[in-house]
Amino acid sequence: KQEVTQIPAALSVPEGENLVLNCSFTDSAIYNLQWFRQDPGKGLTSLLLIQSSQREQTSGRLNASLDKSSGRSTLYIAASQPGDSATYLCAVETSGSRLTFGEGTQLTVNP
Amino acid sequence: DTAVSQTPKYLVTQMGNDKSIKCEQNLGHDTMYWYKQDSKKFLKIMFSYNNKELIINETVPNRFSPKSPDKAHLNLHINSLELGDSAVYFCASRGGLAGDSEQFFGPGTRLTVL
Repeated sequence: KQEVTQIPAALSVPEGENLVLNCSFTDSAIYNLQWFRQDPGKGLTSLLLIQSSQREQTSGRLNASLDKSSGRSTLYIAASQPGDSATYLCAVETSGSRLTFGEGTQLTVNP
Repeated sequence: DTAVSQTPKYLVTQMGNDKSIKCEQNLGHDTMYWYKQDSKKFLKIMFSYNNKELIINETVPNRFSPKSPDKAHLNLHINSLELGDSAVYFCASRGGLAGDSEQFFGPGTRLTVL
C-alpha cells in the first residue's frame, strides 16, 4: 500500500528566503508525482506534475525534483513571498489512476 | 468560467438525513473523482469515473453512491448521514486515464453533520 509522507508538517520563514519542502513515498511504482497548493477554505491548485521518467520540472520560482528509486521528491521555492503562504500537498499516482496524498506542509512566509 | 464547480459550497444537516453534492466540469475531461478531506486535512480518494463508468471504489461505505449522468457531471449521494461523514468533499477531473495529465480540483463542499 502506497504511503506518502511530507516533512516538515509546518514551516515559517521570513520573506525572501529560499526553502525546500520534502515528500517521500513507499512504493516507487508510480506514474507521476504532483505538487499542489491549498489555500485556507479553498480547493487544490496543481503546481507541477513530474512524470515517472522525468527528474525535475520548473515553473517560475518553483522547482520540483523526483528521485523515483529512492522514493523522494522536493519542492524548491525561490525568493519566497507572503503570497506563497499556503499548505503544499504532494501526491503520487499509481495504477488505476489513484492519487495518494501526503498530509501536507503548512507554509507561512512572514513579511 | 469555472473549470470544476461544486454545489453546494456548505451543507449543514442532521444525522440520518440523505443529501447530494453536485459536481460539473467544463474542461471536456473524461475522468472525474471524489475525494474526502477529513478534519486533519488528509485527502483520500473515494471514487473515480471514466466516461460514466466506475473505475475506482475505494472501500467507501455503500451509503455513498456516486452517479455520473454524463461525462461532465459526477454527483455524490449520501444516505443516512453520520457524524463521521463531516468533512470537505472535493471533486476533480482530468483528461483521460494516462499518468501524464494533472487533476483539476473543485472548490470543495464542506459537509457538517449535527
